[in-house]
Amino acid sequence: GAGVSQSPRYKVAKRGQDVALRCDPISGHVSLFWYQQALGQGPEFLTYFQNEAQLDKSGLPSDRFFAERPEGSVSTLKIQRTQQEDSAVYLCASSLAGWENIQYFGAGTRLSVL
Amino acid sequence: AQRVTQPEKLLSVFKGAPVELKCNYSYSGSPELFWYVQYSRQRLQLLLRHISRESIKGFTADLNKGETSFHLKKPFAQEEDSAMYYCALSVGTDKLIFGTGTRLQVFP
Repeated sequence: GAGVSQSPRYKVAKRGQDVALRCDPISGHVSLFWYQQALGQGPEFLTYFQNEAQLDKSGLPSDRFFAERPEGSVSTLKIQRTQQEDSAVYLCASSLAGWENIQYFGAGTRLSVL
Repeated sequence: AQRVTQPEKLLSVFKGAPVELKCNYSYSGSPELFWYVQYSRQRLQLLLRHISRESIKGFTADLNKGETSFHLKKPFAQEEDSAMYYCALSVGTDKLIFGTGTRLQVFP
């Protein structure tokens, strides 16, 4: 693949609905990051995986947010019982980790909660 | 607390004018800083990082630990430089802390 792939590109959800956002990182990239970008703001860190291990989830805003990467490749960010304040662009990034430490970003999923 | 501050939301210049996008950081450890750029309808991409000491597309940025700054500079702006620019600080598990971004508009 050419880069980090995210799907869907756009998601409209009714308040209270559950959503699942997918990230397909660059092949061979060990590290995977999720960020949330609200309108007019910079991306904010949500969670980080090294292979299948979730090493940092300090940025997840509530227990309604859950992320997994069961086989160390594709990752899913799940939001339960969506609220209007969850409306944002969700960005996924991957990196080789270690000294290289350059994160490559996907195009993002724009979530709108009505 | 770890923080990145970009004081300007918008910077407008004419083609050929010098550009400086400001970035200040707050971090008690040894900082690793980046500039990311987002062109219209494109994804966020790395422009440059301080440890590389490179000039990319004519842009440079010098880490000033005394002033805790990492300002992005270009001597002669081009119209194709118009984009959103984000300064970012790498901490802990390599997560990035971003500033709120500065939109650069370069007029012909």
